[in-house]
Amino acid sequence: DTGVSQDPRHKITKRGQNVTFRCDPISEHNRLYWYRQTLGQGPEFLTYFQNEAQLEKSRLLSDRFSAERPKGSFSTLEIQRTEQGDSAMYLCASSLSPRGQGSQPMNTEAFFGQGTRLTVV
Amino acid sequence: GQQLNQSPQSMFIQEGEDVSMNCTSSSIFNTWLWYKQDPGEGPVLLIALYKAGELTSNGRLTAQFGITRKDSFLNISASIPSDVGIYFCAGNYGGSQGNLIFGKGTKLSVKP
Repeated sequence: DTGVSQDPRHKITKRGQNVTFRCDPISEHNRLYWYRQTLGQGPEFLTYFQNEAQLEKSRLLSDRFSAERPKGSFSTLEIQRTEQGDSAMYLCASSLSPRGQGSQPMNTEAFFGQGTRLTVV
Repeated sequence: GQQLNQSPQSMFIQEGEDVSMNCTSSSIFNTWLWYKQDPGEGPVLLIALYKAGELTSNGRLTAQFGITRKDSFLNISASIPSDVGIYFCAGNYGGSQGNLIFGKGTKLSVKP
C-alpha cells in the first residue's frame, strides 16, 4: 500500500473560485479525516468520516466547505467562493476505528498524506 | 476548545546531543501521538501511546504517556542532522471521539 495520497499537491486559485481536493486513504482504513494547517500552527481538525458517514464536523468547517466520502473509500473536500483566509495546507489522514479489549482504544494511529497547499490570490 | 501546551517552541541542537520536549493538557487524554513534519510535507507518525505510564521506543526516540494522562514527553537521544524538523504532539480525549488535538509544535534546528 502506498499510504495516504492527496491530489493536487499545490493549488493556486483566485478569490471567489471553487476548489476541490481529493484524498485516497490507506485501503483498509475505515476512518478518514480532514485537517487544515496554517503557518506556524499544528493541524486543526475539520471533519472525519467513518466509512461513508460524516460523524463529526468542527466549527472551523464553514458552510462554504463540504466534504464527501460517497463510497467509503476516497474523499473530496470542496471549498466554494474561496477567500484569502482559506490559504493553508489541507491535510488528509486515515486510520482504523478504535478496537481493543474493554475500554482501551487501540490501533487508532492516524497516518497523514502529504497535503494540498492552497493559495488564494 | 481543548488545547495542548507543547514546549519548548523551538530549540537548537548540536549533533550528538539528547533532546527532550513535552506536552500537557488540561483534560485527561486517551491517546498520545508524536509526529514529525518536514517543510511542505504531511506529519509522519513517530510513536503512539495508549496507556498511562506507557514508555515506548522507536530507535533513538522514546516517548511516555504520563501517569496523570494529562502529559507526554518525547526524547531523542544522540541527535543527528536529519532530526531537524517540527515535532508535534497530538492526543485524543473523551470529548473528541474522532479527531486529534495537536500542539503547536517544537521546531528543532541545528546550532550554527
